Amino acid sequence: EDQVTQSPEALRLQEGESSSLNCSYTVSGLRGLFWYRQDPGKGPEFLFTLYSAGEEKEKERLKATLTKKESFLHITAPKPEDSATYLCAVKSNFGNEKLTFGTGTRLTIIP
Amino acid sequence: DTAVSQTPKYLVTQMGNDKSIKCEQNLGHDTMYWYKQDSKKFLKIMFSYNNKELIINETVPNRFSPKSPDKAHLNLHINSLELGDSAVYFCASSPDPGTGELFFGEGSRLTVL
Repeated sequence: EDQVTQSPEALRLQEGESSSLNCSYTVSGLRGLFWYRQDPGKGPEFLFTLYSAGEEKEKERLKATLTKKESFLHITAPKPEDSATYLCAVKSNFGNEKLTFGTGTRLTIIP
Repeated sequence: DTAVSQTPKYLVTQMGNDKSIKCEQNLGHDTMYWYKQDSKKFLKIMFSYNNKELIINETVPNRFSPKSPDKAHLNLHINSLELGDSAVYFCASSPDPGTGELFFGEGSRLTVL
């Protein structure tokens, strides 16, 4: 069965302090790895899709990277508005079309 | 002009009752989903419909019954509610079942007392 493990569970950073979030995955043939952002009381919001090892995607202060076993979400010089829970999910080449999510990293940026 | 809208946003009810959550999307997507997010923020798929046809049913008790009257709507009816059904239920849509880019609603928080 597909598995996604995210670490750390929670991360507090000062504004401007760069860091990375980790997503380790086990999947039978990776079809895609996906990053979402979830604000309190809201639904997840799609950020990135990564399909193969070595691929990178960027959006503002966020950059997602992918290896054969894990993905990183790098946050450069974060601002308080980057505070949210970041969810990682995978989709397998086999079985049904479901997304398997991790439990997320709750990121807090302190002004 | 909300893309994926769910109602109600909050439900508080007693064990044993029946409740429904409605979902509508105006994105023109063919595929819609129900996800359950528990207190530990774990988001798990329950059902997926593509063009009104059920394509994913993830070992959900048969007290949960989805209904898709048309491809823009996917409702969730829950019979004989149990304490463990307390969670946030999210509706989502996507342009096709192969993509992992889902558009989520704001969630419906169900509390069973």
